[in-house]
Amino acid sequence: QVTLRESGPALVKPTQTLSLTCTFSGFSLSTSGMCVSWIRQPPGKALEWLALIDWDDEKYYSTSLKTRLTISKDNSKNQVVLTMTNLDPVDTGTYYCARIRTAGSHFGTFDYWGQGTLVTVSS
Amino acid sequence: EIVMTQSPATLSVSPGEVATLSCRASQSVGSNLAWYQQKPGQAPRLLIYGAFTRATGIPARFSGSGSGTEFTLTISSLQSEDFAVYYCQQYNKWPPIIFGQGTKLEIK
Repeated sequence: QVTLRESGPALVKPTQTLSLTCTFSGFSLSTSGMCVSWIRQPPGKALEWLALIDWDDEKYYSTSLKTRLTISKDNSKNQVVLTMTNLDPVDTGTYYCARIRTAGSHFGTFDYWGQGTLVTVSS
Repeated sequence: EIVMTQSPATLSVSPGEVATLSCRASQSVGSNLAWYQQKPGQAPRLLIYGAFTRATGIPARFSGSGSGTEFTLTISSLQSEDFAVYYCQQYNKWPPIIFGQGTKLEIK
């Protein structure tokens, strides 16, 4: 059974750095083809992809946010961490982690998601 | 970067009727198109991948069609639980991973 769960602060002040952790089970991020991604969603708005890390530790970022994002993984803990610097109120939203694979029947799609964690950026 | 455009932004349909949602890509994505359903307070759920293949556990009233740049999600005989927001996502060239802006399906 595949599960993912996001954790991190619910409230962050402007200009601070956000660190979110995705803890997953039911798969290994050291298995070829496995990836974990972060996606966010401002209140009432659309999904926005942020970053992805793959089994080979390759990292990919949203073009518009890449200067502010860092993604990393700890295979021993089954965790993926996303850090975002210089937070602004427009970064308020629900942050999801999700699994995606590069091979298999539905490669390239997010087949399992965490429940999301709401982050509010406010002073 | 590929742009995904969904229409309409909001669709009002009565239960039992058919809903047709559209997604257009700014360049061809082949059949590498997925649809997700998101209900309030929940994470998105994968509905369709490969433009027309239903994900595990998805009812047969959900069907996808299209290829290249034009795609359609059709929901026949709408049930109350189908009223939600639907997103398309291309995975022909990724990353970056691009979602459409969503279509809200509401009860008429």
